[in-house]
Amino acid sequence: QKEVEQNSGPLSVPEGAIASLNCTYSDRVSQSFFWYRQYSGKSPELIMSIYSNGDKEDGRFTAQLNKASQYVSLLIRDSQPSDSATYLCAVEAERGGSYIPTFGRGTSLIVHP
Amino acid sequence: KAGVTQTPRYLIKTRGQQVTLSCSPISGHRSVSWYQQTPGQGLQFLFEYFSETQRNKGNFPGRFSGRQFSNSRSEMNVSTLELGDSALYLCASRAGPGNQPQHFGDGTRLSIL
Repeated sequence: QKEVEQNSGPLSVPEGAIASLNCTYSDRVSQSFFWYRQYSGKSPELIMSIYSNGDKEDGRFTAQLNKASQYVSLLIRDSQPSDSATYLCAVEAERGGSYIPTFGRGTSLIVHP
Repeated sequence: KAGVTQTPRYLIKTRGQQVTLSCSPISGHRSVSWYQQTPGQGLQFLFEYFSETQRNKGNFPGRFSGRQFSNSRSEMNVSTLELGDSALYLCASRAGPGNQPQHFGDGTRLSIL
C-alpha cells in the first residue's frame, strides 16, 4: 500500500508569517510531486509541481523535495488569510508505463489576521 | 482556455439506482482521471482514461465504471447505488498519461438517500 502522510492540522499561523506544510511518502520510486490547494466546498487547485531534489520557488510558494528522506514540503511566505485552505500533497510513481497518483488527506491551514 | 467541466454539479439518488456523471477535459488534454472524495477517506483514485482506453484502476468495486469518447470527454457510471457512495466525485485532466499535474473540475456532489 503506497502511502502519503500529511499532518491533518489545523496549522494556525499569523498573517505575514511563513507557513510550513510537510508530506512524507512511502514509495521510493516516486517521481512526481504536486501540491494542491482546496478551499472548503471547492475542487483542488494546482499550486506547485516538483520533480527533482531541491527547492522550487513560485511567488510566495516554495516547494522542497528530498527523495533520500522521502519528504516534500511547501513553504508559504507572507501568509495571507486568503491562504486559509486545505493543502493536498500528491505523489506519482511510474509503473509499467502508467502513472498512478496517491494523495495525502491534506493539512488544514488557518491564517489569522 | 476553458477548464474541466463536470455535469451535473449536484445529484440526489436513492439506494439501488444508477447514475452517470460527465466530464469534459481541457481542450487538448487526452487523459481523464476520476476521483472520489469523502471526509473520511480523502481523495481516492477511481480510474484513468487515455485515448479511450482505461490505463489504471483504483481499488473500487465493479459497480464503478467509466469510458472515454474519441473527443476525450469521459463518463463515469455507478450502478446499484449504496449510501456509502455519497461523495464528491472529481474529474481531472492532463495532456498526457502521467508525470504531469492534473487540473480538476468543480466536481459532482452525489447524495444517496
